Amino acid sequence: DAGVTQSPTHLIKTRGQQVTLRCSPKSGHDTVSWYQQALGQGPQFIFQYYEEEERQRGNFPDRFSGHQFPNYSSELNVNALLLGDSALYLCASSLTRDRVLNTEAFFGQGTRLTVV
Amino acid sequence: LAKTTQPISMDSYEGQEVNITCSHNNIATNDYITWYQQFPSQGPRFIIQGYKTKVTNEVASLFIPADRKSSTLSLPRVSLSDTAVYYCLVGDYFNSGNTPLVFGKGTRLSVIA
Repeated sequence: DAGVTQSPTHLIKTRGQQVTLRCSPKSGHDTVSWYQQALGQGPQFIFQYYEEEERQRGNFPDRFSGHQFPNYSSELNVNALLLGDSALYLCASSLTRDRVLNTEAFFGQGTRLTVV
Repeated sequence: LAKTTQPISMDSYEGQEVNITCSHNNIATNDYITWYQQFPSQGPRFIIQGYKTKVTNEVASLFIPADRKSSTLSLPRVSLSDTAVYYCLVGDYFNSGNTPLVFGKGTRLSVIA
């Protein structure tokens, strides 16, 4: 049973460029959340996708956008890259249940994005 | 969401028990206390979650006093492989399993041989 997989593992981009990161959730999960983790900091919530729609969003500019596909996989897009966007981008998957058992978030290994 | 305070770093020798305390004075009635572990260049991994008293699993124990304003993660007999950053999170993560997780800076545990 594959866990959460992310691609690519590392990426180098130039300021002003656009980037797309990909995530496949854990088997059986239908919800994908994206986090940004700067060096020495804890992960910060970007947004969450469920049923192919953005359900919740953190305090990130519109340059950050995403998509969820019918197979529950997801993409994170960042436009007009800034040096400050350099970080580890983490994808977490979970299963949406209403007031039943807790569904902990399972994280992928992340994509290390470097903007130069 | 309740704010948490935990030590920036801790050192321990192999084989010792490590206790990491987290303060969360403004914890709400619906909030659960959850701990995650993160190794370098990996995503965080769920360790344990509790609401009150004591919870134990194969990895750790979580002690929560009656007022719930703090909690202590206990790692028995640590090894070098337990060197990681440990995050204490407080929020309605049980009934709302997809509530966005709010991470602080965590506690960097270094285990020394």
